[in-house]
Amino acid sequence: NAGVTQTPKFRVLKTGQSMTLLCAQDMNHEYMYWYRQDPGMGLRLIHYSVGEGTTAKGEVPDGYNVSRLKKQNFLLGLESAAPSQTSVYFCASSYEIDTGELFFGEGSRLTVL
Amino acid sequence: RKEVEQDPGPFNVPEGATVAFNCTYSNSASQSFFWYRQDCRKEPKLLMSVYSSGNEDGRFTAQLNRASQYISLLIRDSKLSDSATYLCVVNPNDYKLSFGAGTTVTVRA
Repeated sequence: NAGVTQTPKFRVLKTGQSMTLLCAQDMNHEYMYWYRQDPGMGLRLIHYSVGEGTTAKGEVPDGYNVSRLKKQNFLLGLESAAPSQTSVYFCASSYEIDTGELFFGEGSRLTVL
Repeated sequence: RKEVEQDPGPFNVPEGATVAFNCTYSNSASQSFFWYRQDCRKEPKLLMSVYSSGNEDGRFTAQLNRASQYISLLIRDSKLSDSATYLCVVNPNDYKLSFGAGTTVTVRA
C-alpha cells in the first residue's frame, strides 16, 4: 500500500535552476497539498488542490507553480530556484478536510546553493 | 500574529511522568482541531482529533477551550517512544489546515 509517494527524496540545485517535485497518491483522494517545513516555522502551505484540474494558492506561493492534470498526481515546480527555497517539502492528500486526517509523503529535502 | 502558536519546548521528562502543553489559535471561527505527531526527519501523522467535550486515546488526553481559544495535550505515563514533536493543527473552516510549529517532547530513561 504505497499511500503518498514523493520523488525525488533529495536534490541539490544551483541558484537559478529549475526542477519539479512529483507527488502521487493511490487513495483516490480529492484534496492534495504541498507544504514546506523550515526550522521554527512549522508547516506552511504553498499550494493546494481540491480536485483534478484545480489549484489554489496557499500561504507562501511565490516562486512555485503547481499542476493537477490527473487526480492522483500533484506536481510542484520551481522555475528559478533561490537559496530561500532550501527546505523540506511535504506533499499530503486527504479524502475530506473535516476529519483533519492528511496523509503525508516522506518528504523531499531540497538544497539550493 | 500566527494562526496557531505553540511553546516549542523542549519538554524533557523521565519515563512514567506526565507532560502537558497547550497551543493557542487566533481564528475564533475555527471548527475542528487536531494533534499530529512528527518523529525526527519523518512525515507528520495524525495522533488524535480534539472534540469540544475533550477526549482520551489511551495515555493521551486532548482538551479544547473555545472561550480562551486554546487546545491542550496531556500524555500520562510517558514512554521513551513518546519522544517526538507534537503539532497542533486547526481547521479555520476552509479547505486548508493551519499547523503550529510544534512542541518537542523528549522522554528520558
